[in-house]
Amino acid sequence: DSGVTQTPKHLITATGQRVTLRCSPRSGDLSVYWYQQSLDQGLQFLIQYYNGEERAKGNILERFSAQQFPDLHSELNLSSLELGDSALYFCASSFRDRGRNEQFFGPGTRLTVL
Amino acid sequence: AQRVTQPEKLLSVFKGAPVELKCNYSYSGSPELFWYVQYSRQRLQLLLRHISRESIKGFTADLNKGETSFHLKKPFAQEEDSAMYYCALSGVPGNQFYFGTGTSLTVIP
Repeated sequence: DSGVTQTPKHLITATGQRVTLRCSPRSGDLSVYWYQQSLDQGLQFLIQYYNGEERAKGNILERFSAQQFPDLHSELNLSSLELGDSALYFCASSFRDRGRNEQFFGPGTRLTVL
Repeated sequence: AQRVTQPEKLLSVFKGAPVELKCNYSYSGSPELFWYVQYSRQRLQLLLRHISRESIKGFTADLNKGETSFHLKKPFAQEEDSAMYYCALSGVPGNQFYFGTGTSLTVIP
C-alpha cells in the first residue's frame, strides 16, 4: 500500500499512561500532518513536519509531542493521558510543505483512554 | 477563535435537488480554502480547492471574500454524494490548517 499508513488501528489505555502513534507517509511525500478528531471538537490540526523539521503548530498540548524521522515516518507521543484525549488521530501527508497542497489522509488511530 | 464554521451538522436533500453546504471563515491573512469529503468507510480526501476553480463530481465552490464564505454547491444531488463534507482553511502565512466541524449530507432516493 503506497498510501498513508497508521499504526495501531485501535489503542486502549488508562489515564496517566503514555502512548506512541505511528504514521508512514505516502511514498515521496515529505510533509506529515497530525490531526485529532473528537466528537465535540471536529478535526483539530496538531502539528506539521516537513523533511524532519517542525513546520507548523496548531492546538497541540504540551503533553503531546511529535517527530519525523530520517525515513520520513512520524510518531505522535501522547503522555499523562486523560479521558478527554480519547479521539481519532489522523495523519496526513503531502509532497510539499505548504498547507495549500493536497493532503492524503491515513485511516486513523482510535485512542480510548479509560 | 473559530476559523472555519459549517453551520449545518446534518443536511438532507432529495435526489436531483440542488444542494448547498455552507462554509464561512475568519482569517486576517490570505487564506486558501478547500473542501474535503469522507465517504462511508473511506478516508478523508480532497474534493476541491478554491485556487483550482474546478468542478469535481459536479461540485463547485466559489470563494467570496466579501462574505468570507466558500459554500459548496451542486445543481443536482446524487445518492453517491451522501458523505461527510469538511471545509478547510490553510493559513498564509503560517501554514496552519483549520477544518470545520463537518456537514453530513444525506441524499434521499
